[in-house]
Amino acid sequence: AQSVTQLDSHVSVSEGTPVLLRCNYSSSYSPSLFWYVQHPNKGLQLLLKYTSAATLVKGINGFEAEFKKSETSFHLTKPSAHMSDAAEYFCVVSEGNTGFQKLVFGTGTRLLVSP
Amino acid sequence: NAGVTQTPKFQVLKTGQSMTLQCAQDMNHNSMYWYRQDPGMGLRLIYYSASEGTTDKGEVPNGYNVSRLNKREFSLRLESAAPSQTSVYFCASSQGLAGETDTQYFGPGTRLTVL
Repeated sequence: AQSVTQLDSHVSVSEGTPVLLRCNYSSSYSPSLFWYVQHPNKGLQLLLKYTSAATLVKGINGFEAEFKKSETSFHLTKPSAHMSDAAEYFCVVSEGNTGFQKLVFGTGTRLLVSP
Repeated sequence: NAGVTQTPKFQVLKTGQSMTLQCAQDMNHNSMYWYRQDPGMGLRLIYYSASEGTTDKGEVPNGYNVSRLNKREFSLRLESAAPSQTSVYFCASSQGLAGETDTQYFGPGTRLTVL
């Protein structure tokens, strides 16, 4: 079975400093990986996804993630945090590469951004 | 396009009461899903419908039933609500087409409290 581990439950940064949210996954074959963001009292929005094409994936709002098979990691980064980035972030792995998929969610990382 | 819509946004029930959560999507997606989100646990799949006319159990189906009314609508029913079902419920939809990497799109959620 596939699984995903988000290594930090909370990350605090200052506005303008880099963001790193860490995610490790477990998969028996080549996975699809996603990062979703959830702002307070809102639904989930897709930030980016990896689907076995380029290992460096660019998403919305300046976020990107790098797929490292040797490390089974898919960490999310952003060069400069903005106050509006404060939210909860979920790393997600799928149990199928194509067509219908079941998603397995990490437990989330809450990003706090201070002025 | 409204995307994925859910009603109601908030609901308070007493133990033993029943209710139905409604979900609709206007993206002509084949697959639809119901998740629950509890603090510190990420999202867990309750039921899903890979295509119109089919439904299957997810990770935590006990105490719930679903109906895929048509291609657009997928409802979740609690027949006899219990306090353990206090949660935020998310509906999602995706293309679910073979040969393509799927992306799920989420509704805004229903916050349910069972007293």
